[in-house]
Amino acid sequence: SQKIEQNSEALNIQEGKTATLTCNYTNYSPAYLQWYRQDPGRGPVFLLLIRENEKEKRKERLKVTFDTTLKQSLFHITASQPADSATYLCALYNFNKFYFGSGTKLNVKP
Amino acid sequence: GAVVSQHPSRVICKSGTSVKIECRSLDFQATTMFWYRQFPKQSLMLMATSNEGSKATYEQGVEKDKFLINHASLTLSTLTVTSAHPEDSSFYICSAETGTGNTGELFFGEGSRLTVL
Repeated sequence: SQKIEQNSEALNIQEGKTATLTCNYTNYSPAYLQWYRQDPGRGPVFLLLIRENEKEKRKERLKVTFDTTLKQSLFHITASQPADSATYLCALYNFNKFYFGSGTKLNVKP
Repeated sequence: GAVVSQHPSRVICKSGTSVKIECRSLDFQATTMFWYRQFPKQSLMLMATSNEGSKATYEQGVEKDKFLINHASLTLSTLTVTSAHPEDSSFYICSAETGTGNTGELFFGEGSRLTVL
């Protein structure tokens, strides 16, 4: 069966450290993978997109890697801030549709 | 970035009534819109894909007669929950992607919290 797995346990880190979130998938062949941020009671907000032929993408303090052999994406936030606290979702684009993981909640403590 | 407006943000209704949720793309034309449902602490579950001017494509297990989707224009899609029951209570979110030249980015509405009493 098709699965998109993100760590369901919250990730707690200290301000200034690097947060690393993981997204693993099975039985998908995504053309690209995306990361979104979702705050409580709000719709998700797009952060980054990485295509299947790209290994790494950066945007300011964010970095995403995509390993199609391992079927895994890593999402990094460097120099994390309390304002980065939110739930982060990965999404796969597969056959004209977007499928989402359940998200990982990040708590950045001052 | 592009803006997607969803209305209402919260709605409470009695069991057996129907509720309509609107999703508008404010500054771009959305050839395709997606409707998702999200339960607390769970993933967004794709319900259906709607393309302007044609019938929506529903995901397996989603009742098309229960969740009516209309995409009458390039800027508006509606989801109507018919004969709502308490188990239909959920967070419904729409999203849109642009047509030609899109970056693959989905633009989401703010979501609609439906509570069926």
